Amino acid sequence: DQQVKQNSPSLSVQEGRISILNCDYTNSMFDYFLWYKKYPAEGPTFLISISSIKDKNEDGRFTVFLNKSAKHLSLHIVPSQPGDSAVYFCAASTSYGKLTFGQGTILTVHP
Amino acid sequence: DAGVIQSPRHEVTEMGQEVTLRCKPISGHNSLFWYRQTMMRGLELLIYFNNNVPIDDSGMPEDRFSAKMPNASFSTLKIQPSEPRDSAVYFCASSLGTGTTDTQYFGPGTRLTVL
Repeated sequence: DQQVKQNSPSLSVQEGRISILNCDYTNSMFDYFLWYKKYPAEGPTFLISISSIKDKNEDGRFTVFLNKSAKHLSLHIVPSQPGDSAVYFCAASTSYGKLTFGQGTILTVHP
Repeated sequence: DAGVIQSPRHEVTEMGQEVTLRCKPISGHNSLFWYRQTMMRGLELLIYFNNNVPIDDSGMPEDRFSAKMPNASFSTLKIQPSEPRDSAVYFCASSLGTGTTDTQYFGPGTRLTVL
């Protein structure tokens, strides 16, 4: 039972344009959501997070939106850069920091 | 400032052999997590320690897997005997505390191949 789903395995975007990565969840007990970025041969690195009491969190070029009624969150990257090319994981948490991850979306930003 | 350290980075072994993966968390971090990444199941939590004590091992697949944390700066994940389906990338992560907002910092992972 996949509680966190990233339905798009891959996304290709032109440099300078917006990248939108999507994530859906089924467990209404999740109260904290995160995005991690992963380069090949490295571990995931924390990117941005959002609490369930908010609907938006922004950090530079990265913005995460949360729609609790739809159980959906998205990550916007504006403007996209070639260095953003990586695998992006959505994750959700209910307690003590136990993370449930999505399958990941491979983002490719073309120069 | 050293991050989470894992060793070895790559391990190739034959079915039936014992495998031991090692992790050194970030100094001062109280929580340690072991994850496994496979194509089929993605990134999944195996076990979580807080202050060197195993708190949640519900993700450990079976009795062939065991994990220990003898002190605050070292943890091991052991597979005995290993099987080809154990082939995966194993990540260790640590965080400062146990709250949901405590960021988990991941190591580079150990790529395990069981022939």
